[in-house]
Amino acid sequence: GAVVSQHPSRVICKSGTSVKIECRSLDFQATTMFWYRQFPKQSLMLMATSNEGSKATYEQGVEKDKFLINHASLTLSTLTVTSAHPEDSSFYICSASGLNNEQFFGPGTRLTVL
Amino acid sequence: AQSVTQLGSHVSVSEGALVLLRCNYSSSVPPYLFWYVQYPNQGLQLLLKYTTGATLVKGINGFEAEFKKSETSFHLTKPSAHMSDAAEYFCAVSAFGDTGRRALTFGSGTRLQVQP
Repeated sequence: GAVVSQHPSRVICKSGTSVKIECRSLDFQATTMFWYRQFPKQSLMLMATSNEGSKATYEQGVEKDKFLINHASLTLSTLTVTSAHPEDSSFYICSASGLNNEQFFGPGTRLTVL
Repeated sequence: AQSVTQLGSHVSVSEGALVLLRCNYSSSVPPYLFWYVQYPNQGLQLLLKYTTGATLVKGINGFEAEFKKSETSFHLTKPSAHMSDAAEYFCAVSAFGDTGRRALTFGSGTRLQVQP
């Protein structure tokens, strides 16, 4: 089956710093990658959709200058949380989709901003 | 636009009992429907999905769901609960978004507890 990895699995940072999260499709080419955010005991909310080689499409209410998404290759997308604040603390999950449109999810990254 | 409603944020059953998790959706186009399971601090695992064809869909771990268009429902069932089924379950619907790709809209989730 298709495997998607995320790195790091857990990160703690100080307020004001930037954090980069990587999402990799290990055994297939992901033409589209999705980034979701999940607050404790809540559902997943789509943040943005990125297609390889083009700019990401952000959902309403998600600041594109704060959550920088790069999808430079068919196997890697990165989410950078810039100038992180405690309210950005959350569980960030990526998913990757190939030509058949099925989404495969990564294991998630727990971000804690102090 | 699409949306998903999961009735019951918590469901508790006894081991061996029937599991029924409810999901209703709305979609302006024919939907694709999914059930995912999430264990603590982990990503999502696909249980089953409906796209087209047979309305009764069988998934992994003995789960199944039936697409009922007239009721706009996609309830998840399992005849006999196992302790290892305790987890968070999410129903999701997808339709083509602005990117041309099918984006997922998730329900609020149902936490399943299995009592010994």
